[in-house]
Amino acid sequence: GNSVTQMEGPVTLSEEAFLTINCTYTATGYPSLFWYVQYPGEGLQLLLKATKADDKGSNKGFEATYRKETTSFHLEKGSVQVSDSAVYFCALSANFGNEKLTFGTGTRLTIIP
Amino acid sequence: SAVISQKPSRDICQRGTSLTIQCQVDSQVTMMFWYRQQPGQSLTLIATANQGSEATYESGFVIDKFPISRPNLTFSTLTVSNMSPEDSSIYLCSAQDRPNQPQHFGDGTRLSIL
Repeated sequence: GNSVTQMEGPVTLSEEAFLTINCTYTATGYPSLFWYVQYPGEGLQLLLKATKADDKGSNKGFEATYRKETTSFHLEKGSVQVSDSAVYFCALSANFGNEKLTFGTGTRLTIIP
Repeated sequence: SAVISQKPSRDICQRGTSLTIQCQVDSQVTMMFWYRQQPGQSLTLIATANQGSEATYESGFVIDKFPISRPNLTFSTLTVSNMSPEDSSIYLCSAQDRPNQPQHFGDGTRLSIL
């Protein structure tokens, strides 16, 4: 079956540091890949997505590239802010994104001023 | 993208009772889903809410415990029946506007069972 393995947290960084959260996946067919973010007390927000190999999703300074050869979709940001403190979930949906989401375990990120 | 509203946002319930959670979308959507997020955990799909037919449940979830309705293309409900403390979780509704588009989520319902 489909699965997502995500870097364990929690992760604590200083403001303006470089962020990488690793995500690898196992899936058959043509999955779409996503990063969702959950701020304290809120639901999930779509952060970025990629639908095919070598696609780069980007939003709010975050980026992730769909790497089929390494089955990875690592999240990066060059300079984090305190407001980026949240839980980040990597997820996939098979069949071009038309099936259920399979989530990673989530990574709690805390940014210290 | 679709805007999703869930009600109630939170509730505290007595064991043995049932609670119905509503999910309203501001536009017609093809797919709606219900997920559970247990404390400090990731999200697990409960079921896919199909318009005009019975929901499709994931392994480990049954209709008697989590009955779901989807009377039209903008609305769905999830009932958590005969609740126990183990049902204390966040329940989230998501919707997919059109094929090949990402799912968007409501803010969730935070449920505590005493």
